[in-house]
Formats: sequence, structure tokens, C-alpha cells
Amino acid sequence: SYELTQPPSVSVSPGQTATITCSGDKLGDKYACWYQQKAGQSPVLVIYQDYKRPSGIPERFSGSNSGNTATLTISGTQAMDEADYYCQAWDSSVVFGGGTKLTVL
Amino acid sequence: QLQLQESGPGLVKPSETLSLTCTVSGGSISSTYYYWGWIRQPPGKGLEWIDSFYYSGGTYYNPSLKSRVTISVDTSKNQFSLKLTSVTAADRAVYYCARHVIYYDNSGLPYPGAFDIWGQGTKVTVSS
Repeated sequence: SYELTQPPSVSVSPGQTATITCSGDKLGDKYACWYQQKAGQSPVLVIYQDYKRPSGIPERFSGSNSGNTATLTISGTQAMDEADYYCQAWDSSVVFGGGTKLTVL
Repeated sequence: QLQLQESGPGLVKPSETLSLTCTVSGGSISSTYYYWGWIRQPPGKGLEWIDSFYYSGGTYYNPSLKSRVTISVDTSKNQFSLKLTSVTAADRAVYYCARHVIYYDNSGLPYPGAFDIWGQGTKVTVSS
């Protein structure tokens, strides 16, 4: 079965750029999306179709997908961005990555 | 503004069947533009997809859960439901219903894409 691999944790200082990766076999041939989940809340879609932002998602969130890796980038990270982030793709099934805990120190 | 609301018992006995319903408001479950699905999240763990369907037919299942999962749709009530049989402690989780946007592959065939709207989730415990 298809697998997506994320680092368990990423730390970033306020105002700096956070980068979260998601790796899977030929992931660049598929659409990747990203969800943000804050403690006790439902996930929120922040990036879809590799790089598109839903309405209401700040411009500091961006995405890319090439080769075997999709990347979520948060520029000028704010304390409010501290959350778990999950990537997701489709490979005859919905596949989620294991999640990355972003800590804003 | 489309909203989804999960409902069902918060406590299920081991070996019994878990039944949950998702009520959709502010939009139609019969929309041609979306799939709908269920996702769960065990305590302290990541997201696990359960199943996804299109209102007029076409259902996809997580292979690891397929033998225990049944999904049904009531378009008159704008609801869809999940049944998970023979539950164990491993089925303890927050269960979410969500809407998928539709993507199209190179052959023009539709498939479920990103989950763009989620319900608030309902916590299910398995205990005697």
C-alpha cells in the first residue's frame, strides 16, 4: 500500500520560515494537499492540488510537489501556526501522512 | 455556508456495531461536485481514512477496514451514515465526516480529492 512519510516534529522561531516535507513514491505525479490541526479542533485544509490556497488561508502558507516530495512552507511563522500538519494524497485510496508537530519557539 | 455534524452514541460495547450519522446543512449531499467521507483519529495519533462515496454510487474503502464498514446515504434527509462492526478498543477514536472536492485523472475519470470541509468530530469510546 502507498505510504506518505513526514518528520514527526519541526521547530521554528517566530518570524522565520517553517518547512514540512511529505515523501512518497512518485508523489509528484499525484496531487498533494495539507491540513492544519490545532489542539482539540478539526483539521483545516490549508493547501490543495499541491500549491493552491483555499479562501481564508493566509498567503504565508505555500506548497510545492515534485519528484518524491511535497513541501509545505510557512513564511513568517506566527505563534498561531503551532499545530499538527498532515499531508494527504490519493492512490486508489485516501492516504494520510503520519503528521508533523510544528512548534513555534 | 456548508456544515457537517456527526452524531451517534459516544460509548459502544466491544464486539458490537458502531453507528454514526453525518447531517449536512447549507448544501446538498446530492451535489455533482463532491464526494463525502469518514475519517477517524485515535487519541494522540494521526488521521486514518475510513471510506468515501459519491451520492449516486461509487464507494472507496480503506482496505484495512473494508470488511467491517458499511456506508449508507439518505438524500431525503441530507445525511450519510457509517456502520463499523465488531468493534474493539482499537476503534476508540474521534470520528469525522467531511466533504471531498472532486479531481479528474488523465482519462477524465473522477476521484476523491482534498477534504475541504470537516465536521467537528464525535468521540467514540469502546468499553463494556
